[in-house]
Amino acid sequence: NAGVMQNPRHLVRRRGQEARLRCSPMKGHSHVYWYRQLPEEGLKFMVYLQKENIIDESGMPKERFSAEFPKEGPSILRIQQVVRGDSAAYFCASSPLDSQAFFGQGTRLTVV
Amino acid sequence: SQQGEEDPQALSIQEGENATMNCSYKTSINNLQWYRQNSGRGLVHLILIRSNEREKHSGRLRVTLDTSKKSSSLLITASRAADTASYFCATDVRGSGNTGKLIFGQGTTLQVKP
Repeated sequence: NAGVMQNPRHLVRRRGQEARLRCSPMKGHSHVYWYRQLPEEGLKFMVYLQKENIIDESGMPKERFSAEFPKEGPSILRIQQVVRGDSAAYFCASSPLDSQAFFGQGTRLTVV
Repeated sequence: SQQGEEDPQALSIQEGENATMNCSYKTSINNLQWYRQNSGRGLVHLILIRSNEREKHSGRLRVTLDTSKKSSSLLITASRAADTASYFCATDVRGSGNTGKLIFGQGTTLQVKP
């Protein structure tokens, strides 16, 4: 049973481009969470999704950020018109219902 | 405001010594978890302690939880150079049962010198 898979592991984007981060949850997990970690800081919750539904997006910036978890395929965190301040590590976690979440290795986004 | 706050922010010890890290939080929790993160890497789950538990052990790790003081501690005994990493506490404050929405502390950076 593979763990939570995130890709790409590293992503470089120029200012103004779009960044797409993918997360494939563990088999059988229907809950996905995205977190952002700025340098030298802890992880900050962004959004919680179940299949085809956004359950809690209280940590998402109001603009340029969106997330989805379609019926088929990975969860996608999308950042439009990236700025330097978006440079961070983005972690995805998945869990089955009411159970401990497991984290992926993260995607490190660098905006140049 | 930050739910989890850890101290110290940085800790440097010699191999073989014990390392103690503390975490305080503000709201009621379902459980508290500790994670390790090696530099530039992903998170490794270390241990979970539920709100009705006071102490838990896993190998060289010992975690305590004091819900009256809203605090937890992580003790690593007989530390090794390989324990060098950042350690984060995270609290689950949502609903009942265990979920993935966690509030993380800022972390303690531990350096174990050989």
